Amino acid sequence: EVQLVQSGAEVKKPGESLKISCKGSGYSFTNYWIGWVRQMPGKGLEWMGIIYPSDSDTKYSSSFQGLVTMSADKSISTAYLQWSSLKASDTAMYYCARSVGYCSDGVCSIFNFWGQGTLVTVSS
Amino acid sequence: EIVMTQSPATLSVSPGERATLSCRASQSVSSNLAWYQQRPGQAPRLLIYGTSTRATGIPARFSGSGSGTEFTLTISSLQSEDFAVYYCQQYNNWPPASFGQGTKLEIK
Repeated sequence: EVQLVQSGAEVKKPGESLKISCKGSGYSFTNYWIGWVRQMPGKGLEWMGIIYPSDSDTKYSSSFQGLVTMSADKSISTAYLQWSSLKASDTAMYYCARSVGYCSDGVCSIFNFWGQGTLVTVSS
Repeated sequence: EIVMTQSPATLSVSPGERATLSCRASQSVSSNLAWYQQRPGQAPRLLIYGTSTRATGIPARFSGSGSGTEFTLTISSLQSEDFAVYYCQQYNNWPPASFGQGTKLEIK
């Protein structure tokens, strides 16, 4: 069974750093892209970017480029999303998700398995 | 960046009836269009990709159609568990593989 298990909720202050995680199991972690999706309170889904754990190739949305960093440790089947300096506007639920397939098939940026979400709250 | 616009924002339909949700792209996305369902407090679930291919385990009452810039998700006979928010997503021209703003399907 494919599973993505995300780290727990975080409460941080503006200016603090944060790294949240997403551990995959039940499939070959290096063979599928992992994506990150933001959902601000009461709002819709925003595609942040994807990472290929095999070689850490990343593709960011321009809206998030430079604001977050995606990484992966294939030895422990875990992907990460990190911030160096949080803002109140980063308050949101963050989902990791596994791609349907490969970019060569055109389906690496859509997702058929999702983590449970990590709620990040940034408040002074 | 391709902008995806969904309509209506909210759709009220009775159980057992048909629901038709629309999604429009600001430029052609060919057939590279997916639909997701999100129930309250849950992660999204992939329903359809490639405009009309149902994802694994998705009931046949869900169907997708369209091409280019105009797409439709149809739910043929609404069940109680279908009342949720639905998002379309284009993946023809990315990053970003942008989502629509969502349609809330509520019980009439």
